[in-house]
Amino acid sequence: EAGVAQSPRYKIIEKRQSVAFWCNPISGHATLYWYQQILGQGPKLLIQFQNNGVVDDSQLPKDRFSAERLKGVDSTLKIQPAKLEDSAVYLCASSYPLEETQYFGPGTRLLVL
Amino acid sequence: QKEVEQNSGPLSVPEGAIASLNCTYSDRGSQSFFWYRQYSGKSPELIMFIYSNGDKEDGRFTAQLNKASQYVSLLIRDSQPSDSATYLCAVSGGYQKVTFGTGTKLQVIP
Repeated sequence: EAGVAQSPRYKIIEKRQSVAFWCNPISGHATLYWYQQILGQGPKLLIQFQNNGVVDDSQLPKDRFSAERLKGVDSTLKIQPAKLEDSAVYLCASSYPLEETQYFGPGTRLLVL
Repeated sequence: QKEVEQNSGPLSVPEGAIASLNCTYSDRGSQSFFWYRQYSGKSPELIMFIYSNGDKEDGRFTAQLNKASQYVSLLIRDSQPSDSATYLCAVSGGYQKVTFGTGTKLQVIP
């Protein structure tokens, strides 16, 4: 079974630029999560999708972050414009419907200069 | 705001000893509890989950849950240097809504 795929793995941008991350979950996983993990902290949920609907985006900074999951499969997370404090690892995870065990992708390490 | 608290460590134990990792949570209605291991520069991977009060054993790992005290722990027996990692406690109140703690860094000294 293929795991959760994410790209790019690394990204360096300057502040005020925009960036996009892509995630392809494990086949059959209806639930998809995007997390932000700052160095030394635990993953912080940004947005949770069930199929192509948003379940929870209460911690998503909506003035600069957006996410979509068209067709209920892969997803993109966008930051526009980026700030220095957005430097973090962005993790995508997925799970089967009604199950809570999450499977994480390798993450995208973002550095904002 | 649901909170999951862990001591950030580092927790240092000698090789072969028992490592004890602890986690407390604020939401008394929490139903599911997870321990993830995260190696430096890698993504979290599930070690164990527990739903009921008591102990659950899987190889060298034992998860312990006490809902009355809102406390969950992970014991690692016969600790190995390869166990050195950050251990994340995660708690769910249902509906797949999971909150992660900040993690405890474990160092196993050869």
